[in-house]
Amino acid sequence: NAGVTQTPKFRILKIGQSMTLQCTQDMNHNYMYWYRQDPGMGLKLIYYSVGAGITDKGEVPNGYNVSRSTTEDFPLRLELAAPSQTSVYFCASSPTQVSYNSPLHFGNGTRLTVT
Amino acid sequence: AQSVAQPEDQVNVAEGNPLTVKCTYSVSGNPYLFWYVQYPNRGLQFLLKYITGDNLVKGSYGFEAEFNKSQTSFHLKKPSALVSDSALYFCAVAPGGGNKLTFGTGTQLKVEL
Repeated sequence: NAGVTQTPKFRILKIGQSMTLQCTQDMNHNYMYWYRQDPGMGLKLIYYSVGAGITDKGEVPNGYNVSRSTTEDFPLRLELAAPSQTSVYFCASSPTQVSYNSPLHFGNGTRLTVT
Repeated sequence: AQSVAQPEDQVNVAEGNPLTVKCTYSVSGNPYLFWYVQYPNRGLQFLLKYITGDNLVKGSYGFEAEFNKSQTSFHLKKPSALVSDSALYFCAVAPGGGNKLTFGTGTQLKVEL
């Protein structure tokens, strides 16, 4: 199993450009999450999904959009990139919800710089 | 709202000595507590969890954590540190029955020879 795969690993965007961060998992997990990691700030939840066709906002959703058309894929879309979106983005998945004794499986991250 | 505090940005310890990485939390209801480790340029990896039961939880790579309800703490410990334990450690909490995991800001552990 590959687990959680994120592409690309690195990307530089100009202000105002758009892009999609890809995330796919091969563990048949229902729950998927997008986090951003900023130095000294820990991880902040952007969006999450409890299954195909269902998504919900996390702590910091502004400037991002998601979709979940299949169980495997959970892409994150940045429409108008801003310097404040410079960060490392992590996708994660779990078979059930977190409080049901189900740890998260993380991808290796996408490092995004907006200049 | 739930929150996690990791009061130390960095912990330095000599190899072979015991290590402790501190974590306190705030959450409504019963807490579900987790420790994750992050190596450079990698995603987070699950170490251990507390859901219910014994207050001392054992996890991967010889790590353990002690849940203290009265002090709302969940400190990570290891009896004998290794240089290979050097990494960034995150504590996280979710409320019982909830789906959102809240992470602390992380503690950089440095184990030196």
